[in-house]
Amino acid sequence: AQSVAQPEDQVNVAEGNPLTVKCTYSVSGNPYLFWYVQYPNRGLQFLLKYITGDNLVKGSYGFEAEFNKSQTSFHLKKPSALVSDSALYFCAVRPTFGSARQLTFGSGTQLTVLP
Amino acid sequence: DAGVTQSPTHLIKTRGQQVTLRCSPKSGHDTVSWYQQALGQGPQFIFQYYEEEERQRGNFPDRFSGHQFPNYSSELNVNALLLGDSALYLCASSLYGTSANTQYFGPGTRLTVL
Repeated sequence: AQSVAQPEDQVNVAEGNPLTVKCTYSVSGNPYLFWYVQYPNRGLQFLLKYITGDNLVKGSYGFEAEFNKSQTSFHLKKPSALVSDSALYFCAVRPTFGSARQLTFGSGTQLTVLP
Repeated sequence: DAGVTQSPTHLIKTRGQQVTLRCSPKSGHDTVSWYQQALGQGPQFIFQYYEEEERQRGNFPDRFSGHQFPNYSSELNVNALLLGDSALYLCASSLYGTSANTQYFGPGTRLTVL
């Protein structure tokens, strides 16, 4: 069975500074990896995904993520944080083969960008 | 282009009652998945529907059931509600086929069981 770990419940960063939200995963075979963002009392909004190819994936709103197969990680990054980036971020994984079609999510990381 | 829509937005029920939640997928999508998100947790997969059949199910009891209609919209039914069923219920739509396809989520239905 697949799993996702987001080791930090809370990340605080100053506006204008770079941000990193960490994610590690466990899956049989190769993974498809996703990042979603959730604003208060809202559903999940898709940011980016890794399928294959370039390990650096670029997504919406200036976010990017780096896939590292040897470390089984998929950390979310942004060069310069905005106050409006403050939200709850979820990493999710799905195996490329097999019958599991659902997304398996981590527990989420609350990002707070301080003005 | 309309995204995923869900109704109602909020719902309050008492223990033992039954509830039906509704979801309309994003235009062009044929697959609907349902997730339960308890407070402070990540979403947990309930089941997925494609071609009006349940294709996969997570670790949820039979009190949770669903349906998909010919227009691809879907319902989630929960019988004999428990206090622990209080959560945000999320619907996600996608195209069937490769697992690389992105799931797009609706705004959710907040269910409170008293």
